[in-house]
Amino acid sequence: AQSVTQPDIHITVSEGASLELRCNYSYGATPYLFWYVQSPGQGLQLLLKYFSGDTLVQGIKGFEAEFKRSQSSFNLRKPSVHWSDAAEYFCAVGAKEYGNKLVFGAGTILRVKS
Amino acid sequence: EPEVTQTPSHQVTQMGQEVILRCVPISNHLYFYWYRQILGQKVEFLVSFYNNEISEKSEIFDDQFSVERPDGSNFTLKIRSTKLEDSAMYFCASSVDNQPQHFGDGTRLSIL
Repeated sequence: AQSVTQPDIHITVSEGASLELRCNYSYGATPYLFWYVQSPGQGLQLLLKYFSGDTLVQGIKGFEAEFKRSQSSFNLRKPSVHWSDAAEYFCAVGAKEYGNKLVFGAGTILRVKS
Repeated sequence: EPEVTQTPSHQVTQMGQEVILRCVPISNHLYFYWYRQILGQKVEFLVSFYNNEISEKSEIFDDQFSVERPDGSNFTLKIRSTKLEDSAMYFCASSVDNQPQHFGDGTRLSIL
């Protein structure tokens, strides 16, 4: 069965520090990979996506993610975190073979301390 | 930038009542989805819809649930007889084929 694991429930970083949020997946098909961000009471905003090609993808708000097939990982990174980045981050995986439905990880709550 | 819109933002309903959640997908999108997020839990897939029919549904999407695209713009989720455990945030999403799904801001459904 398809599954997505985000091992860190909460992460706290200082403003200006670098950030890495981990995502591992188990999928029986060639996956599409996404990161979404959700601020409290808000919807899910797409940060970035990976379909094919270059394994390092750039997204909005200065985020990037790297797809590592050998590790079944798609970790999200940002070199310098801003207080406004505090939110919950979801990794999601889909595949055309599975009808494009997305399977989400449990999310990682990011806290930024000044 | 076009967006998916959902109404209402918050719906409070008595247990056993019917509820309809409404969504207006992005206009040139062809694939439509409903997901839900119970408080503190993962976002879960409910159903996908394409070409005026359900293309896939999860085990959550039982006979109490139905979806409809009544006209060219709206996409609705109906829960026929709500239960307490239906309380959740419901998200509508739309996409063009296998492109990223764009999500609405959600409807918070509270069952009393």
